[in-house]
Amino acid sequence: DAGVTQSPTHLIKTRGQQVTLRCSPKSGHDTVSWYQQALGQGPQFIFQYYEEEERQRGNFPDRFSGHQFPNFSSDLNVNALLLGDSALYLCASSAGTGGARGNTIYFGEGSWLTVV
Amino acid sequence: AQKITQTQPGMFVQEKEAVTLDCTYDTSDPSYGLFWYKQPSSGEMIFLIYQGSYDQQNATEGRYSLNFQKARKSANLVISASQLGDSAMYFCAMREGRSGNNRKLIWGLGTSLAVNP
Repeated sequence: DAGVTQSPTHLIKTRGQQVTLRCSPKSGHDTVSWYQQALGQGPQFIFQYYEEEERQRGNFPDRFSGHQFPNFSSDLNVNALLLGDSALYLCASSAGTGGARGNTIYFGEGSWLTVV
Repeated sequence: AQKITQTQPGMFVQEKEAVTLDCTYDTSDPSYGLFWYKQPSSGEMIFLIYQGSYDQQNATEGRYSLNFQKARKSANLVISASQLGDSAMYFCAMREGRSGNNRKLIWGLGTSLAVNP
């Protein structure tokens, strides 16, 4: 049973560039959430996708956008990169039907983004 | 105001001993869930244990147990028989509302645990 997979694991970008990070949820999960974790901090919620729609959004600018595909995988796009976007980006998957299954939220290994 | 507070930036424990990591939370929602995750230096956030606000019993998962004191709004993680591989950052997180409607987790700042041989 494959867990949550993210790619790439590490990348370096230049200020002003754009980046796309990818996530495949755990088998049986249909909801994907993205988090940004700066060094020494807890993760911050960016947004959540369910049924190919953005369902919740945290306090992040429009430069952060996402997409969910019919197979439940998801992309996180960040435009016009700033130095402050350097962080670990974590993808979380869960079951969207709620109940006990919705209480298990699993994370991938993350994508380390460095903006120079 | 902080919704999740972890007051111990760093903790040390001797191998094979038990350790308690503190977490207090703040919410006015009667329905919520509390999570603990382990984050090694590799970055992966590893799910450890979950406690729902309506659960009657404290959650347990192997060597991990959650000391849930609802009136005090605390959800401390207890790790029994510590192992060297337990050395990592530990995060407490909360989801407000019922799981069907909300997947957003609010996180504490974490506790760095070091297990000494």
